[in-house]
Amino acid sequence: GAVVSQHPSRVICKSGTSVKIECRSLDFQATTMFWYRQFPKQSLMLMATSNEGSKATYEQGVEKDKFLINHASLTLSTLTVTSAHPEDSSFYICSARPPRGSGNTIYFGEGSWLTVV
Amino acid sequence: AQKVTQAQTEISVVEKEDVTLDCVYETRDTTYYLFWYKQPPSGELVFLIRRNSFDEQNEISGRYSWNVQKSTSSFNFTITASQVVDSAVYFCALKDTGFQKLVFGTGTRLLVSP
Repeated sequence: GAVVSQHPSRVICKSGTSVKIECRSLDFQATTMFWYRQFPKQSLMLMATSNEGSKATYEQGVEKDKFLINHASLTLSTLTVTSAHPEDSSFYICSARPPRGSGNTIYFGEGSWLTVV
Repeated sequence: AQKVTQAQTEISVVEKEDVTLDCVYETRDTTYYLFWYKQPPSGELVFLIRRNSFDEQNEISGRYSWNVQKSTSSFNFTITASQVVDSAVYFCALKDTGFQKLVFGTGTRLLVSP
């Protein structure tokens, strides 16, 4: 079964609105989660590292005010795309890492297809 | 710096053929982890295999096998007797102990035709 769950799987929103994507760790408490973005036929690019109870760490070039990340609990991280524009349309996927000592495999959610119209 | 290179952009095979996907990695760390993930058209990333840098043997799991050559920093993945359901994009990824994030290659699209 799924280890990491992501919701919604598909979302369409109007330009200028905000949309929230949830990432839940189902089988373990994840102090760290990761958010990736993938353009069509391209690889996954890390956007930010979500740290439970503290601010997210953003990769260079990623606007932290546009892509708000909240990791309020050990099993939930959210990505909010604020004031979305058509160029934000993409596939967003999260991953979670088990606690230290529990293995080094990183599991991914099902991904979320965002279309901004 | 970490880097993963998948030189094959697309491979087409006929069902039942064996196919090998190539991956070359770069890292300065002596302890690292290598992964292969499968991404079907639906988009989710399916974990396939993980190999630790300190593993000595190459392994086989069902129709999958993987081979690490440390001398060339290659981590190749082989599917034996390919099936149509194997059609997907396959990503090689690297994680070392210094950085907890995964670094992905650009992916190889595998097309298996009947």
